[in-house]
Amino acid sequence: GAGVSQSPSNKVTEKGKDVELRCDPISGHTALYWYRQSLGQGLEFLIYFQGNSAPDKSGLPSDRFSAERTGGSVSTLTIQRTQQEDSAVYLCASSEVYGYTFGSGTRLTVV
Amino acid sequence: AQSVTQPDIHITVSEGASLELRCNYSYGATPYLFWYVQSPGQGLQLLLKYFSGDTLVQGIKGFEAEFKRSQSSFNLRKPSVHWSDAAEYFCAVGATDSWGKFQFGAGTQVVVTP
Repeated sequence: GAGVSQSPSNKVTEKGKDVELRCDPISGHTALYWYRQSLGQGLEFLIYFQGNSAPDKSGLPSDRFSAERTGGSVSTLTIQRTQQEDSAVYLCASSEVYGYTFGSGTRLTVV
Repeated sequence: AQSVTQPDIHITVSEGASLELRCNYSYGATPYLFWYVQSPGQGLQLLLKYFSGDTLVQGIKGFEAEFKRSQSSFNLRKPSVHWSDAAEYFCAVGATDSWGKFQFGAGTQVVVTP
């Protein structure tokens, strides 16, 4: 596609439920990144994919968080047993050469 | 590991006045440097980037940034601010030896007054 597409744009979930966030990168971009932006905070790195493999998972906050990427394209970030502190905007970016292109993000609210 | 500092959390500027946003980085070699802008409720948009070469980089929306190795800085400037420039601005640094994660600064919120 023309840009990085994220869905849903907004998600409200109850504490303890699982959620899946989707990122559809720009076609042909080999690198894909997930970041989290909490209210009043900067961008927190979560995970990075090169192709389908994740060389750097160092930013995942806990084992409740996982991500996968299939076909070198779409990526899914899964949060299990959501907690209120998971409320944030989750941003996906893709890159072919240096310089990310970001999606508009998924705003997750855990109530 | 690389790091980025944006010393100013919040800046207020009058429409038509000049704007300069500060960014200092820490990295062992020449880094890749970026400025992004985020308008309310929007994703991040790349304003400009520096990889090598001319240290004065021109970007979109009339912005420019200057890489100063001696000061480990990459400050963003605009000669005359428009009301639509009100947004949050993020400086980012990427390592030149890997594809890995970028490090973002905490952001500077710019308010434009009439």
